[in-house]
Amino acid sequence: DGGITQSPKYLFRKEGQNVTLSCEQNLNHDAMYWYRQDPGQGLRLIYYSQIVNDFQKGDIAEGYSVSREKKESFPLTVTSAQKNPTAFYLCASRDGPTMEYGYTFGSGTRLTVV
Amino acid sequence: ELKVEQNPLFLSMQEGKNYTIYCNYSTTSDRLYWYRQDPGKSLESLFVLLSNGAVKQEGRLMASLDTKARLSTLHITAAVHDLSATYFCARNSGNTPLVFGKGTRLSVIA
Repeated sequence: DGGITQSPKYLFRKEGQNVTLSCEQNLNHDAMYWYRQDPGQGLRLIYYSQIVNDFQKGDIAEGYSVSREKKESFPLTVTSAQKNPTAFYLCASRDGPTMEYGYTFGSGTRLTVV
Repeated sequence: ELKVEQNPLFLSMQEGKNYTIYCNYSTTSDRLYWYRQDPGKSLESLFVLLSNGAVKQEGRLMASLDTKARLSTLHITAAVHDLSATYFCARNSGNTPLVFGKGTRLSVIA
């Protein structure tokens, strides 16, 4: 079955450490997105990519970095510059520009600073 | 700037009752999306409303879109406990990423 796989499901980060969240899709979707969700809050956009080797900052990109070397993969690195990284991170993808079906979401990664 | 506002943010309903969640947005758009999120889980697509006047129904949930009023509604009929979740509306403009509302946390009680 096609879908989006996020790993790991839970991740613990020490102060000053960089960590990378994985997002892989086998839907052959062009565009991929990273959102952050804090408790009781909506989703805020971190980065997105509409095509391989290209990506754009979202509303809260500071302290994060991404790459899009393959269509299937869009990893997110949470750097030590992100001072409050504890949150639920969701990766999503969509097919063509018409968005008739909206986004498909992965199952999420819960990141905690220890 | 795209803005999406939902109300109420918290909703406690008795089983069997009806209620409506409202989603207002700031700029014109032809499309509006509704998602459901269970605690600790990801988002599940409920409805995609593609044009003005669109109405879609699935079980006890019915969504509608009025692009002239910049308003979408999610109506719940005869609520049951299984509908307890957080509901998000989202929209975009052209090819831009989806902008989400803060969500409505629904709790259905006996």
